[in-house]
Amino acid sequence: DIVMTQSPDSLAVSLGERATINCKSSQSVLYGSHNKNYLAWYQQKPGQPPKLLISWASTRESGVPDRFSGSGSGTDFTLTISSLQAEDVAVYYCQQYFSTPVFGQGTKVEIK
Amino acid sequence: EVQLVESGGGLVQPGGSLRLSCAASGFIFSDYWMSWVRQAPGKGLEWVASIKYEGGEKYYVDSVKGRFTISRDNAKKSLYLQMNNLRDADTAVYYCARDREYLGSGTESDNWGQGTLVTVSS
Repeated sequence: DIVMTQSPDSLAVSLGERATINCKSSQSVLYGSHNKNYLAWYQQKPGQPPKLLISWASTRESGVPDRFSGSGSGTDFTLTISSLQAEDVAVYYCQQYFSTPVFGQGTKVEIK
Repeated sequence: EVQLVESGGGLVQPGGSLRLSCAASGFIFSDYWMSWVRQAPGKGLEWVASIKYEGGEKYYVDSVKGRFTISRDNAKKSLYLQMNNLRDADTAVYYCARDREYLGSGTESDNWGQGTLVTVSS
């Protein structure tokens, strides 16, 4: 089974500063012949269900602010919040769907 | 507007059974893969099971194989999770989620319900 490992487990960032979350898969989630990385990012705020932010490693969902971006390929991926806002405080999860879905353990983002 | 509303959660003793339901509206239910994802108190997300739009393919996380059964009734626009032989470790909020598809396989979950809490305890 594919294992997804996020780092760090938590981070505190000042308002307006950049937040970077890493996600590493134990095997490649790149479907080479279609050049697609089977990787999504979700945001979960307290008391709410998860919200899909990014699919295919870098495709932002409609309505998601452009300060959120995804990058990476193969086994190493990054979610970047370019300028942290108060409403971005949440836990962020990566998920691979190359095989049966697996989530990373989550990264808690707080305001410094 | 896509809506997913879970029901059926509650308190059950270890070894007991429970059936969760998810009522879908706002989209053509029979066109989508559907999944159950759970979250233990204070913990992360864990995918539990997925089912293809016509019900012909079903997948489970190893920890629930042989105990949980995912099913759907497209005429009723409903998703189900039959949970048998429940364990303490099954205590969690269970979310119903709609999945997208690519090349015939389920992919990311683009809409989620609010969840229903299952507590397994004596």
